[in-house]
Amino acid sequence: KQEVTQIPAALSVPEGENLVLNCSFTDSAIYNLQWFRQDPGKGLTSLLLIQSSQREQTSGRLNASLDKSSGRSTLYIAASQPGDSATYLCAFLTGANSKLTFGKGITLSVRP
Amino acid sequence: NAGVTQTPKFQVLKTGQSMTLQCAQDMNHEYMSWYRQDPGMGLRLIHYSVGAGITDQGEVPNGYNVSRSTTEDFPLRLLSAAPSQTSVYFCASSYSQGRNTEAFFGQGTRLTVV
Repeated sequence: KQEVTQIPAALSVPEGENLVLNCSFTDSAIYNLQWFRQDPGKGLTSLLLIQSSQREQTSGRLNASLDKSSGRSTLYIAASQPGDSATYLCAFLTGANSKLTFGKGITLSVRP
Repeated sequence: NAGVTQTPKFQVLKTGQSMTLQCAQDMNHEYMSWYRQDPGMGLRLIHYSVGAGITDQGEVPNGYNVSRSTTEDFPLRLLSAAPSQTSVYFCASSYSQGRNTEAFFGQGTRLTVV
């Protein structure tokens, strides 16, 4: 059974800082990895999708990497802004039923 | 192109009442699913469908029914609401099963059972 861990549960940083959000997983037989953003009281917005054959994906100030051998993914946010404050979740697609297994998320607060 | 639309956004039910949470997508996606999100538990899969007429159970299916009569719609029915079903419910869709598909989520339905 896939288990996904995101530590720490919460993070507070000053504006402008580059930061890394970590996600670890136990089953390397994944199909793909998705990083989501969730604002309070809102739905999940897809940020980046990494296929199992890829090592990383970039979108603007965001870069996500995938290392199946170590069971880790990281989301790098460059030059953080207060508008980046949200909860970030990683999710892994495994198996034929396309079931996503989620981490519990990291709540990020970027201080002005 | 509205993506994944869920209704209602908020609902309060009394214990024992039944209701249907609606989910519709306009992206011609084959795969649709329902998750619930609870504090400290993360998102957990309730039911999913790989196409019209085909549904299956996820991790926490008890107390919920689904059907998929069209590609676009995937309603979730609560048969007899219980306080343990107080949660935020999310519907998601993706193009197909498989390795390289991106999942899209609705805005959620916040349900309170009293």
